[in-house]
Amino acid sequence: QLQLQESGSGLLKPSETLSLTCTVSGGSITSGGFSWTWIRHSPGRGLEWIGYISQSGTADYNPSLKSRVTISVDRSKNQFSLKLQSLTAADTAMYFCAKDQNGLIRLDLWGPGKMVIVSA
Amino acid sequence: QSVLTQPPSVSGTPGQRVTISCSGDTSNIGSNPVNWYQLLPGTAPKLLIHNDNRRPAGVPDRISGSKSGTSASLAISGLQPDDEADYYCAAWDDSLTGQGVFGGGTKLTVL
Repeated sequence: QLQLQESGSGLLKPSETLSLTCTVSGGSITSGGFSWTWIRHSPGRGLEWIGYISQSGTADYNPSLKSRVTISVDRSKNQFSLKLQSLTAADTAMYFCAKDQNGLIRLDLWGPGKMVIVSA
Repeated sequence: QSVLTQPPSVSGTPGQRVTISCSGDTSNIGSNPVNWYQLLPGTAPKLLIHNDNRRPAGVPDRISGSKSGTSASLAISGLQPDDEADYYCAAWDDSLTGQGVFGGGTKLTVL
């Protein structure tokens, strides 16, 4: 059974870069034609789509974050990753990785989430 | 401000039926399927409805979705205390280069 798990730095300072990895277990990240997605949630802003990377390796990003974000995939490790540069306190949130069944925000499998705090 | 518009809160008593609305436009709800998520404190979001009105396995049939034009709704009948949660609608938006968009979320309180 497919499972997702986020890992990475949880406490960062303003201007630093967030690096998170999502490990896919129980199946191959290259099968099924899914898109691999990053979402974040904060009490004040709700759920926010950060972006995804398709099975072909094409990435799509939220226009409001596009200048700061990179999503990549490492097929040999069955992982996909998120990098978010130039952090500010507004980036403090719970970050989730998720499997998009059809590339249209049908997120049917989620990791448990990683809390990220940006503070001086 | 979210691209999709939801009421901040709704409430109902056990056994009642409540609906949560989600309003968008032709570039999102009007041309792409709507999905609904339930968010409980301390847990990952759960997909409740996909493709406007389809329930994933394990979601009870007292939960339903509908769509008309550029608006969608989530209905929960036979309200239970465990239904108290935040609910979000989501859709793909075709404007600009395309992006996923969520509603601002609706807090359902079971009185």
